[in-house]
Amino acid sequence: EAQVTQNPRYLITVTGKKLTVTCSQNMNHEYMSWYRQDPGLGLRQIYYSMNVEVTDKGDVPEGYKVSRKEKRNFPLILESPSPNQTSLYFCASSSRGLAEQYFGPGTRLTVT
Amino acid sequence: SQKIEQNSEALNIQEGKTATLTCNYTNYSPAYLQWYRQDPGRGPVFLLLIRENEKEKRKERLKVTFDTTLKQSLFHITASQPADSATYLCALDGLDNFNKFYFGSGTKLNVKP
Repeated sequence: EAQVTQNPRYLITVTGKKLTVTCSQNMNHEYMSWYRQDPGLGLRQIYYSMNVEVTDKGDVPEGYKVSRKEKRNFPLILESPSPNQTSLYFCASSSRGLAEQYFGPGTRLTVT
Repeated sequence: SQKIEQNSEALNIQEGKTATLTCNYTNYSPAYLQWYRQDPGRGPVFLLLIRENEKEKRKERLKVTFDTTLKQSLFHITASQPADSATYLCALDGLDNFNKFYFGSGTKLNVKP
């Protein structure tokens, strides 16, 4: 089954404790992206990747890091999480930019 | 910067009627516009994509229009059903970068039986 998976689905952590949210897709897609979703603000793009070793900033990249060492994986790293990063995070992939995106199930992150 | 507006108020309609959702944008001309459906607690699901040189796109009970002069897209669901109840998001590519995406905050549709 074609899908995007994210782990963990739920995470409660404390300020400053480094964490990684994993994202994996099994569709051989070149394009992958991370979004955060906050009430009233909608989905905002954090980072995206056009292919292995090619990443670029989205609209709200501050406080986040990404890497794309393999085509199928695109982890999101929070080196020093802060409470304003409490949000619902989605990973997405598509065959290329401008094509339909397939979203993962989401990761609900709470930073206290 | 680009601004995308969707009606934040929920749209309540009766089953069988046509639902029409609006997506307005300012400050630029996107090459593509996409519509997604999102159910509570789940990731968005792609519905339709329309290009700037297309006026209208259809898929089963769904229809999207794209008016680049008005800077507006309309999303129609005909013969609506309670199962169509969800939040609908529009998304556009970036002003200076086709690989960036910007989403509207979505409109919640409630279809009552």
